[in-house]
Amino acid sequence: NAGVMQNPRHLVRRRGQEARLRCSPVKGHSHVYWYRQLPEEGLKFMVYLQKENIIDESGMPKERFSAEFPKEGPSILRIQQVVRGDSAAYFCASSGLAGGTYNEQFFGPGTRLTVL
Amino acid sequence: DAKTTQPPSMDCAEGRAANLPCNHSTISGNEYVYWYRQIHSQGPQYIIHGLKNNETNEMASLIITEDRKSSTLILPHATLRDTAVYYCIVRVTYTGANSKLTFGKGITLSVRP
Repeated sequence: NAGVMQNPRHLVRRRGQEARLRCSPVKGHSHVYWYRQLPEEGLKFMVYLQKENIIDESGMPKERFSAEFPKEGPSILRIQQVVRGDSAAYFCASSGLAGGTYNEQFFGPGTRLTVL
Repeated sequence: DAKTTQPPSMDCAEGRAANLPCNHSTISGNEYVYWYRQIHSQGPQYIIHGLKNNETNEMASLIITEDRKSSTLILPHATLRDTAVYYCIVRVTYTGANSKLTFGKGITLSVRP
């Protein structure tokens, strides 16, 4: 998966705690996408960020979820006051120049969040 | 982005060609056909894309019909490691609000020994 790194790979939280998921894109990529895959369901887009800016957050739940991609450092997907329904695999993808030559997105291995 | 239709599953024998169909009858002129796959529990992997000409790379071939309303992904010599869910996605190539990938249910390919 072309160098996208996500950590942690597995995260366990109790209801009401906060979850922070990190994504380091392919070196040189300035576009980051977050997707969520609920158990036994397909991948759903959440948010698209370009260094320090949110470009499209149409897939983000209205409450408790936020994302950032600072000038320095990884992109962070933050979930506050987690609930059991947040249990899912969260995948990050990155692309280069305006989405890559043909907008290829390279995916990381995912973070599997379990809420107890 | 245009919607795609794929059969839910198919299987093929190891070493044989796997031909995965996709219908995208509402595709517009500036939309490309992309294929990704997701091997169990892993992140999706880009395979190939095309506009109207047939394309081939080290992983697969993509055959797009002349009217562009359907396409076929061909894995020429399937191996057990090709067992995965394959997603056919049509989308434009530029960034901005349309950059996201819209995944459907995909087709589950099972390669049998």
